[in-house]
Amino acid sequence: DAGVIQSPRHEVTEMGQEVTLRCKPISGHNSLFWYRQTMMRGLELLIYFNNNVPIDDSGMPEDRFSAKMPNASFSTLKIQPSEPRDSAVYFCASSLWVGGQVQETQYFGPGTRLLVL
Amino acid sequence: AQSVTQLDSHVSVSEGTPVLLRCNYSSSYSPSLFWYVQHPNKGLQLLLKYTSAATLVKGINGFEAEFKKSETSFHLTKPSAHMSDAAEYFCVVGLSGTYKYIFGTGTRLKVLA
Repeated sequence: DAGVIQSPRHEVTEMGQEVTLRCKPISGHNSLFWYRQTMMRGLELLIYFNNNVPIDDSGMPEDRFSAKMPNASFSTLKIQPSEPRDSAVYFCASSLWVGGQVQETQYFGPGTRLLVL
Repeated sequence: AQSVTQLDSHVSVSEGTPVLLRCNYSSSYSPSLFWYVQHPNKGLQLLLKYTSAATLVKGINGFEAEFKKSETSFHLTKPSAHMSDAAEYFCVVGLSGTYKYIFGTGTRLKVLA
């Protein structure tokens, strides 16, 4: 398996522009997470999907952020308009949630390094 | 409330000496516990996972961790550090019966030649 795939790996944009980050989870996984990593705040969960449905978006910073998962093999995170404070590394992770007491392993993508000028 | 504490933000060891990265957790139920490693400009890679089977868990690259319920600890160890072990390490608690994971703040391991 190719693992979790993210694109682009690097993105440099100017303030006010729209940014779209993409993620392809591991085939067969039913849970998808978007995280943001910064030096100041560490790893923050932005949104969690289960079976393509957003379950928890309480970590999405504000209305400028939106995420979709139109099917089991693709998700996007969009920032519109982007701001310099959005500069961070954005990770996508997937897992197989079976609803038991044991947490399943999350598998992380390589991340998208976003710089907003 | 559930939480995870990595007791050291930075650890330096000499190559060939033992590594100890400390992690304490707080959880109402038997948690699942993970250690991930993140090399510079890379994603997080699973080192090992505890899920209430054996308390001593062996992972990749010679790492292991011991679950001690009485101490609420899950420290990561390696007998002999290698230069390639230099990275950031995250202790993670998975909350039983939920999709939620709590990440520690990370420990940056430096390996000196």
